[in-house]
Amino acid sequence: QVQLQESGPGLVKPSETLALTCTVSGGSISNYYWTWFRQSAGKGLEWIGRISARGNTNYNPSLKSRVTMSLDTSKNLFSLKVNSVIAADTAMYFCARSIDRGYSSTFDYWGQGILVTVSS
Amino acid sequence: SYVLTQPPSVSLAPGKTARITCGGNNIETYSVHWYQQRPGQAPILVIYYDTDRPSGIPERFSGSNSGNTATLTISRVGAGDEADYYCQVWDSDNDHPVFGGGTKLTVL
Repeated sequence: QVQLQESGPGLVKPSETLALTCTVSGGSISNYYWTWFRQSAGKGLEWIGRISARGNTNYNPSLKSRVTMSLDTSKNLFSLKVNSVIAADTAMYFCARSIDRGYSSTFDYWGQGILVTVSS
Repeated sequence: SYVLTQPPSVSLAPGKTARITCGGNNIETYSVHWYQQRPGQAPILVIYYDTDRPSGIPERFSGSNSGNTATLTISRVGAGDEADYYCQVWDSDNDHPVFGGGTKLTVL
């Protein structure tokens, strides 16, 4: 059974960098796309971006200038960095696995989420 | 950008059948996926590629997609089904997912 687990600081100061890691167990990271979402309190899901096993990335245009994703196949994990954070970046952050078929992608395994608060 | 429209809420009595709709222009040309999210928890995929059910999801959950509307049907609803439900498609032109706004299912 594939499991994903987010880790990282729960509190980040404004203008600093939010850095999260998602560790994958029960399966190899060397296939699929790996994705980050976030969800502000009481709101819907916001896609941040994804990274392929080969390191190819797609980012949400609204966040692209501040987001970087990477992965480490030797440690079976992938990471997210968001630069110059503001209060609006406060949210629950989820990592997920993406499966593709034809022209569509869906998200079959999710981490439990990690709450990140941006505050001084 | 493609837009998916869901009703904000659906309420019904236990044991009834819930139908949660997801509207989009010619949505039948997309593959639609559905997620259940209970309060404070991560989303769970309950239907993918319109009608497929992941292992571990009860047969009470089913999906359909025709014309401009996709539908998630949950039969014999119970308190454990209370959650937010989101539909999702993939916008292949822009290479990103599109989610509906979510529907809160309440079992009275």
